Amino acid sequence: QKEVEQDPGPLSVPEGAIVSLNCTYSNSAFQYFMWYRQYSRKGPELLMYTYSSGNKEDGRFTAQVDKSSKYISLFIRDSQPSDSATYLCAIALYGQNFVFGPGTRLSVLP
Amino acid sequence: ETGVTQTPRHLVMGMTNKKSLKCEQHLGHNAMYWYKQSAKKPLELMFVYSLEERVENNSVPSRFSPECPNSSHLFLHLHTLQPEDSALYLCASSQDRGRGSTDTQYFGPGTRLTVL
Repeated sequence: QKEVEQDPGPLSVPEGAIVSLNCTYSNSAFQYFMWYRQYSRKGPELLMYTYSSGNKEDGRFTAQVDKSSKYISLFIRDSQPSDSATYLCAIALYGQNFVFGPGTRLSVLP
Repeated sequence: ETGVTQTPRHLVMGMTNKKSLKCEQHLGHNAMYWYKQSAKKPLELMFVYSLEERVENNSVPSRFSPECPNSSHLFLHLHTLQPEDSALYLCASSQDRGRGSTDTQYFGPGTRLTVL
């Protein structure tokens, strides 16, 4: 079983839709969770960083961690064409390097 | 310049060539990383330097040779590469606060490498 799994997509939604992006992981000891956004021909940029279970909100973005299910989500409200990118989840144990998912490609259609 | 910069942005090389990728971070960080990103695959961590010393090498072939002369600069020297080494090579940096820290990494734009 892979350490981090993520549906590669592509996921296409109309502008204004609520987008749900998800990752599952195998090791229940993981504690640190990040979401990165990567535009075409660019490096990943950090969107959200969470530690422990629960929700964290930043503008139109909400990160959710469910440790009991080993499942993390990123919600995007009122999606815009400029949100079209690949979204990578990254997960780590305390003091260890992050393990990345393969990314989900999102297209928001005007 | 701000953030993490990488040069060149694109590189095409033959299997017998020798080339180097360069990364520079302007964030005052003390840890730097090389990652390989291939299509539809997760980021693969290649090398980690903390305080200019290599602390991790994930069994990368010897045709890739990293160099970290100071905390702001990181190089990846390439020689006798194979076509399957074609990928996006990403540099990242973070502030390593010591053993046990798990700090956010900031990425450069990457070098798109094609090996013919």
